[in-house]
Amino acid sequence: KAGVTQTPRYLIKTRGQQVTLSCSPISGHRSVSWYQQTPGQGLQFLFEYFSETQRNKGNFPGRFSGRQFSNSRSEMNVSTLELGDSALYLCASSYRGDNYGYTFGSGTRLTVV
Amino acid sequence: AQTVTQSQPEMSVQEAETVTLSCTYDTSESNYYLFWYKQPPSRQMILVIRQEAYKQQNATENRFSVNFQKAAKSFSLKISDSQLGDTAMYFCAFMKRVASGTYKYIFGTGTRLKVLA
Repeated sequence: KAGVTQTPRYLIKTRGQQVTLSCSPISGHRSVSWYQQTPGQGLQFLFEYFSETQRNKGNFPGRFSGRQFSNSRSEMNVSTLELGDSALYLCASSYRGDNYGYTFGSGTRLTVV
Repeated sequence: AQTVTQSQPEMSVQEAETVTLSCTYDTSESNYYLFWYKQPPSRQMILVIRQEAYKQQNATENRFSVNFQKAAKSFSLKISDSQLGDTAMYFCAFMKRVASGTYKYIFGTGTRLKVLA
């Protein structure tokens, strides 16, 4: 059974640009959550999607957005990148966002220069 | 608001020995779930162990066990017979239901564990 796949693994962008990250959940999982991980702030929740609908959102500015497709794959987009957006972005999937714990991907390391 | 505190930023242990990682949390909820995740250098977060707050029995998974003290709001992880492959960052996490059909995770800041040969 394939795990959670995140692409790309590494990304370098310039301030002001936008970026799109992709996450393919485990087959059959319908819930996808995104987290930002930085040394200073730890893991911060961005948003969760279930059946193509955003049903939970963290405290991030509107520059951070996401979507989920009918095959449960999810993308997150960050517009007008800032240096502070440099982080590891982790995607996690579960069957329905239940309490059994999530399966995480290996993340996308985004560096903004 | 819920908080999760891991007071040990870094720890080390000799191979084959036992180590305990601490975690405390603050909540007014009575029904919730607690987790320990491991993040090795490969970056992928791996679920180590899960505890349901309404269960008094401590969860165990092979060499990993927890000491869950609900009244004290403490949830420590014990790793027995430590192996080099246990070297990783360990995160304690609290989860509660926030609305119908969805849950919210709050993570601690992590403890970096190094197993020494």
